[in-house]
Order: sequence, then C-alpha cells, then structure tokens
Amino acid sequence: DTGVSQNPRHKITKRGQNVTFRCDPISEHNRLYWYRQTLGQGPEFLTYFQNEAQLEKSRLLSDRFSAERPKGSFSTLEIQRTEQGDSAMYLCASSLLAGYSYEQYFGPGTRLTVT
Amino acid sequence: DAKTTQPPSMDCAEGRAANLPCNHSTISGNEYVYWYRQIHSQGPQYIIHGLKNNETNEMASLIITEDRKSSTLILPHATLRDTAVYYCIVTYDKVIFGPGTSLSVIP
Repeated sequence: DTGVSQNPRHKITKRGQNVTFRCDPISEHNRLYWYRQTLGQGPEFLTYFQNEAQLEKSRLLSDRFSAERPKGSFSTLEIQRTEQGDSAMYLCASSLLAGYSYEQYFGPGTRLTVT
Repeated sequence: DAKTTQPPSMDCAEGRAANLPCNHSTISGNEYVYWYRQIHSQGPQYIIHGLKNNETNEMASLIITEDRKSSTLILPHATLRDTAVYYCIVTYDKVIFGPGTSLSVIP
C-alpha cells in the first residue's frame, strides 16, 4: 500500500454514460497525476496538478475528459459520454515537489469497462 | 524527455541477480534516470533513481555509465515476486512510460 487510494476499483458502465473517479494522494504530496493504461501497454500520461492548478493536459485528454483538484488534496477524473475505447485502467499517482526528486507513488487504479 | 530503449523481455533464475539494461543515449544533463516496476494488475511501483552516481537502496542497485548514456538496474537476489514489467525512464519532471522489460523469474 503506497498511501494513494482510488475509488472505485472497478466500474462497469454503458456507452454514453458519465463516470467519475476519485483519487486521494499521500497527504503532503503537492503533485497529482492521472494516467491511462490499456492491456499490454505502459501507462499513458493524461494530466497533472501542482496543488490545485492543472499544469498540463495530454492530447489524449479529449473534451469528454475533465479533471479537478479543487482544494489541492483529492482529485476527480470525469469522463462524459463514455465510449468503448475508454475501457482501460485509470491510474493516479502523487509526488512531492522537492528539489529535483520526482518519484511518484501510484494508487491501485480504477478499471473501467464500457459495454 | 529523452527516450529509452529496453529489451522487451528477460528471464532470470530465482536467487540469481537480475541485470536489466537501459539505453538512453540522448539524455540531457539535468535528467535523472528512474526505474519503476509494475506487477500484474497493480499500479507501478517506484524502485530507484539517480543522476550520475551509482545508487543502492533496499530494493535494487542502479549503475549509470560515466557518459550517462546507459544504465543497469540490478536486483541482487531475484525472487518469484520480482516477476514484473520494469520501466526505465529519463526525465527532469514528467514521467513518460515506454513498453518496458517484462522480467520473468523462473524457479
């Protein structure tokens, strides 16, 4: 257990529905990252926050995806109008920005299945 | 971020040292070498990182060549629980995962 938690762990939804995932990082970590991982591939970067500011979004993050970190603590990732191609593991990670050390600690992930 | 090249798969006998190579010939002066691993169905796990000196922690050792163009992660006594995909990443900030090396530890 890294101290990063994600909920739910599994989500099955029908195409066209909206889903929201939550990530609770390690409490003193000021950076929070979201990744998506499909079978057989490494995690793909989606977006990251420093405190409550969203600093970067990948081109992978279409308009249907939105992420927030309202008080610089937990974060949510929402997918609107889900498509079958959204089926993947969604991973959250946190890190402490300190000097030049950026080791990230990952949660267990939320597995999304869109039917 | 610089790109890395790793062998797609490796085998290692249980109890022996596992040496996982990584090439990063375009690494910049301010980029660190990080290693993560991912055991099946779990999130990635941070292992170790370094800039130019060799590093050791309770999990592994990291050997970086003097020109910093390549590195080797060493698991000194591999166990079955070390079977995982190992990712070598060079970065000064954002972590970008490649395909990694799938290490199988064989009894």
